Amino acid sequence: RKEVEQDPGPFNVPEGATVAFNCTYSNSASQSFFWYRQDCRKEPKLLMSVYSSGNEDGRFTAQLNRASQYISLLIRDSKLSDSATYLCVVNMGGTGRRALTFGSGTRLQVQP
Amino acid sequence: GAVVSQHPSWVICKSGTSVKIECRSLDFQATTMFWYRQFPKQSLMLMATSNEGSKATYEQGVEKDKFLINHASLTLSTLTVTSAHPEDSSFYICSAPPLAGPTYNEQFFGPGTRLTVL
Repeated sequence: RKEVEQDPGPFNVPEGATVAFNCTYSNSASQSFFWYRQDCRKEPKLLMSVYSSGNEDGRFTAQLNRASQYISLLIRDSKLSDSATYLCVVNMGGTGRRALTFGSGTRLQVQP
Repeated sequence: GAVVSQHPSWVICKSGTSVKIECRSLDFQATTMFWYRQFPKQSLMLMATSNEGSKATYEQGVEKDKFLINHASLTLSTLTVTSAHPEDSSFYICSAPPLAGPTYNEQFFGPGTRLTVL
């Protein structure tokens, strides 16, 4: 089983649509959670951290369910510029080590 | 926000040559830096953890004699791909978490180095 699993997509949606991505992680001791965005041939960029209480940043809402080891990202009113690969990322913690574990990414294509 | 640079951004080399990639944290210090590799249509995979002043820690399956890591200062880590072969062609990305502060749990990524071995 992969440590972080995502649906690879692609998700093809029209502009203005609402789209949701899901992610599960295997290590129950994981400490912090993020969604990153990666454009083609570029480095990943932090989209938002994910907090236990859920958090929102404009059109983006992230939620975490520790009991189910499940993370979600909701994008409302999709824009063409939202087209990218969205990476679910987990910091599995551990003493002196803070490497990130990446999901394989979910590709989003927003169409006009 | 914190900035991490990588150099070169891309490199093409012949099989058998060695390639050095630099990763610098420009406005913060990092005792630890991470080196990832990403093959086409795959996710980032951690190769090794670079530790300032001590030996790097390599992930399982990553040859330490092939991928030499040197973390000479609190702002610079280098990855040298020795005797590169076509299967080493990939996108190499470094990242660095800051030592402290509100972004402690975040990591800042370099722009990546695209290596093509002919």
